[in-house]
Amino acid sequence: AQKITQTQPGMFVQEKEAVTLDCTYDTSDPSYGLFWYKQPSSGEMIFLIYQGSYDQQNATEGRYSLNFQKARKSANLVISASQLGDSAMYFCAMRGISGGYQKVTFGTGTKLQVIP
Amino acid sequence: DAGVTQSPTHLIKTRGQQVTLRCSPKSGHDTVSWYQQALGQGPQFIFQYYEEEERQRGNFPDRFSGHQFPNYSSELNVNALLLGDSALYLCASSLARDSNQETQYFGPGTRLLVL
Repeated sequence: AQKITQTQPGMFVQEKEAVTLDCTYDTSDPSYGLFWYKQPSSGEMIFLIYQGSYDQQNATEGRYSLNFQKARKSANLVISASQLGDSAMYFCAMRGISGGYQKVTFGTGTKLQVIP
Repeated sequence: DAGVTQSPTHLIKTRGQQVTLRCSPKSGHDTVSWYQQALGQGPQFIFQYYEEEERQRGNFPDRFSGHQFPNYSSELNVNALLLGDSALYLCASSLARDSNQETQYFGPGTRLLVL
């Protein structure tokens, strides 16, 4: 079984500062993928970044980077230079063979609020 | 490049009724997955469709059914609606590759309220 845990229900960050959103996961799959999505109040889930379990380097996409620590089973999202438009819900998710690849398992999310 | 579209955006039904939600996948994608997101929760996988067949199903009762058409668009049907079915229903599209890396792209969702 796959499980994603996001322990921060809500976070505040000052505009232009960096923020780290925590994500830990549990799986027995030898190979898996980790994702972060952003969900504004409009409801649409926006794909941000992907990390494969065998990737040697941490993933980066613009202002987003993923701090992947495989031994600790953590995949924290780092947002640099926060902007007001970053205020949203953020979900960590994973997929792997035990989920049949088709199923993506999501955490409960972290609500990020950027303060001007 | 057209993204994932869903209709309707909002829907109000009463208990016991039936509802049909629609989804058109992103251009070039052949697989559609449906998720239910209750208020304050993360999305929960309902099922996925590929080649007009259900590939995998989450922990949802048979009241939830679906269909995929030859043009890859999909419908989610829910019968005998319960109050607990009130949620945001998200459709996601992807390519049918059994790969951890395959990213699912989501539509804006349909907000269903059951009274």
